[in-house]
Amino acid sequence: AQSVSQHNHHVILSEAASLELGCNYSYGGTVNLFWYVQYPGQHLQLLLKYFSGDPLVKGIKGFEAEFIKSKFSFNLRKPSVQWSDTAEYFCAVSRATNAGKSTFGDGTTLTVKP
Amino acid sequence: NAGVTQTPKFQVLKTGQSMTLQCAQDMNHEYMSWYRQDPGMGLRLIHYSVGAGITDQGEVPNGYNVSRSTTEDFPLRLLSAAPSQTSVYFCASSYGAGGDTGELFFGEGSRLTVL
Repeated sequence: AQSVSQHNHHVILSEAASLELGCNYSYGGTVNLFWYVQYPGQHLQLLLKYFSGDPLVKGIKGFEAEFIKSKFSFNLRKPSVQWSDTAEYFCAVSRATNAGKSTFGDGTTLTVKP
Repeated sequence: NAGVTQTPKFQVLKTGQSMTLQCAQDMNHEYMSWYRQDPGMGLRLIHYSVGAGITDQGEVPNGYNVSRSTTEDFPLRLLSAAPSQTSVYFCASSYGAGGDTGELFFGEGSRLTVL
């Protein structure tokens, strides 16, 4: 079974700082990769996804992630965070052969100080 | 544009009581699933369904039951609630097989407390 590891449980940044959240997965086959965000009091929504092609994918609100197959990683980045980015971020992976069945990491809580 | 609708949003139960969390989607998605979210543990898959009449267990299925009689609905039943089932429950759907990337569309969640 696949698993997902997120390296940081809680990250605190000041506005305009750069962000990188680590995500590693364990599965040797073809995967689809996702980052979801959960703003306070809201449900999860998709930030970005990778399933094929360019390993650098761009999502909403200026976020991007890079798929490095050799490292089994899919790290999330944003050059300059805003207070409104305060949220919980989840990395998820699914097998290409069973795309809907996603495994999630434990989540990273990002707090951006104004 | 309802998407995925869950009810109720909040529920308090006593140990041993049973209840059903409702989930409906209007996107004609084949795939539906239930997750529970606990602090520091991310989302864990309870049960999922790849189409009407087909269900399977996820990572934490014990104490829960599901059925999928229609494409739209995927209720989650707690047969005899326990305090360990206190959690936030999310229903999610996806397009399904045939080139689908597996992007999940989530409901707003149901917060369940078992006393």
